Amino acid sequence: ILNVEQSPQSLHVQEGDSTNFTCSFPSSNFYALHWYRWETAKSPEALFVMTLNGDEKKKGRISATLNTKEGYSYLYIKGSQPEDSATYLCAFDYNQGGKLIFGQGTELSVKP
Amino acid sequence: ETGVTQTPRHLVMGMTNKKSLKCEQHLGHNAMYWYKQSAKKPLELMFVYNFKEQTENNSVPSRFSPECPNSSHLFLHLHTLQPEDSALYLCASSQRGQTGGKLFFGSGTQLSVL
Repeated sequence: ILNVEQSPQSLHVQEGDSTNFTCSFPSSNFYALHWYRWETAKSPEALFVMTLNGDEKKKGRISATLNTKEGYSYLYIKGSQPEDSATYLCAFDYNQGGKLIFGQGTELSVKP
Repeated sequence: ETGVTQTPRHLVMGMTNKKSLKCEQHLGHNAMYWYKQSAKKPLELMFVYNFKEQTENNSVPSRFSPECPNSSHLFLHLHTLQPEDSALYLCASSQRGQTGGKLFFGSGTQLSVL
């Protein structure tokens, strides 16, 4: 059974803090690793899709790294803002068919 | 209108009712998906359609019946559901064949089965 684990499950930080989350996935049959941000009452929105071992992606204050050999990805948020409060999902694509296996997500709360 | 739109946003139905969820994508994508989000569980893939053909049925009970009349529209027909089917149902689309094609999600239908 393919399993994607995210940690921590939830995180409460103060505005200005930097934070990071972990996504663990199977190291075999890797095709791509996705990160999504899901704000309350909105649709999940893609942040990054990474396909190559050692990939690093950046979007503003958010960045992500990928290690396909050991099966993990990190998402970093520098200088968290209240608008970063959301659930961050990672998803493992193993067969190029859009059959993503999602983790349970990390719920981030940033207090002003 | 852009993106992926789903209707209705909320639905309450009895176990003997028949209802349908509708999804429309305006992105020119060639693949559409139904996902289910139950409380405290990860997003779970239900169905995949590529170029209007169903390519995945993730062991979903037959009381859920998908329909994809064209590459822009996707329906989920619901019949004799159980209370445990209460969940958020999300539609998504993507462009298959594109390296690491990301999913574009609708806002979801929050379904309550009484």
